[in-house]
Amino acid sequence: DQQVKQNSPSLSVQEGRISILNCDYTNSMFDYFLWYKKYPAEGPTFLISISSIKDKNEDGRFTVFLNKSAKHLSLHIVPSQPGDSAVYFCAASPGYGGSQGNLIFGKGTKLSVKP
Amino acid sequence: DAGVTQSPTHLIKTRGQHVTLRCSPISGHKSVSWYQQVLGQGPQFIFQYYEKEERGRGNFPDRFSARQFPNYSSELNVNALLLGDSALYLCASSSRPTTNEKLFFGSGTQLSVL
Repeated sequence: DQQVKQNSPSLSVQEGRISILNCDYTNSMFDYFLWYKKYPAEGPTFLISISSIKDKNEDGRFTVFLNKSAKHLSLHIVPSQPGDSAVYFCAASPGYGGSQGNLIFGKGTKLSVKP
Repeated sequence: DAGVTQSPTHLIKTRGQHVTLRCSPISGHKSVSWYQQVLGQGPQFIFQYYEKEERGRGNFPDRFSARQFPNYSSELNVNALLLGDSALYLCASSSRPTTNEKLFFGSGTQLSVL
């Protein structure tokens, strides 16, 4: 059973518009959430994170929203740029004295930003 | 500064063989984690080591083992390879194994089992 779900395998957006990537989770014990970006032939790179005590975190063009009651988080990219085209993974930290070394990842969403 | 380095980048093995994958963390990082990424899936946690001790283990069979050396580099070993072990194996490092420490990933080792 998947504890972190990214139900959209792909998303296509026009340059300059907003990209919204969604993620759902099932385990209410998760206390820390992260987004990673992955280009082909490279390892995932950290993008942005949010603690379960917050509902929003911003970093430049990237904003993550967390809705704990719905067990849902989303990543907003505004404005989207062609260089943002990559696979985006949502990940969660178990929180039971665990560490960020043990992350549970979704399957990823492939974002394509068209010029 | 060098990032996380993994070797080899690609590897082809046959069923039943043994494989050793290597990882050098970012200088100063003492925690190393291993993940398996099968095509079309997200990375799946295999092991975490910190200060040469195992700190976590994912749901993988005993054919998978790992260790961390005094210089904090790490090896992942897989015995009796199966076709299903074909995947991208990712190593990640962080300075400490705590929730708010970023993980830095290497580019991975692509293992093909024939």
